[in-house]
Amino acid sequence: AQKITQTQPGMFVQEKEAVTLDCTYDTSDQSYGLFWYKQPSSGEMIFLIYQGSYDEQNATEGRYSLNFQKARKSANLVISASQLGDSAMYFCAMRVSGGSYIPTFGRGTSLIVHP
Amino acid sequence: EAGVVQSPRYKIIEKKQPVAFWCNPISGHNTLYWYRQNLGQGPELLIRYENEEAVDDSQLPKDRFSAERLKGVDSTLKIQPAELGDSAVYLCASSPRDGQGTQYFGPGTRLLVL
Repeated sequence: AQKITQTQPGMFVQEKEAVTLDCTYDTSDQSYGLFWYKQPSSGEMIFLIYQGSYDEQNATEGRYSLNFQKARKSANLVISASQLGDSAMYFCAMRVSGGSYIPTFGRGTSLIVHP
Repeated sequence: EAGVVQSPRYKIIEKKQPVAFWCNPISGHNTLYWYRQNLGQGPELLIRYENEEAVDDSQLPKDRFSAERLKGVDSTLKIQPAELGDSAVYLCASSPRDGQGTQYFGPGTRLLVL
């Protein structure tokens, strides 16, 4: 069975600063994908970034980067130059590539960006 | 390109009443997911469709929940009868094919059962 752990219920960051949101995962599968989603108060889950287990480079998408440390089974999200609009819930998720495609989500981290 | 569409956005019902949610995925996306998200939790998969075929429905409470995707496009999730514990956000998502690729989510339906 797969498991995602997000240990930070809430994080605060000052506008324009960088912030790291932690995510660790557990799986016995060798082929898997890791995702980060943003969920603002409106409720919609917005895809941010994806990292495949065989990708050698850390994924980057604009201000978002994923610090992938395979040996430590961690996939932390780094947001550079935080903006007020980044205030939201952030979810880490995983899906293994073989067998069932049931995705597993963490419990989320609430990020508040203050001026 | 239009995103995933869900309706209604909000629904308040009394317990034991039936309720239905509708989802239209992104055009061309063969895979459709229904999730339930309880307050303070991440989404949990209820059912996944590949075209019109339901797969991965092991977490769907089949005594009261049902789903269909008759023509492999839009989908309906039904609860009958609803219980107090069904209060949650019901999210629909789609991805291009075969369960691979990024999932794109709709805005969700917030259900409150009184």
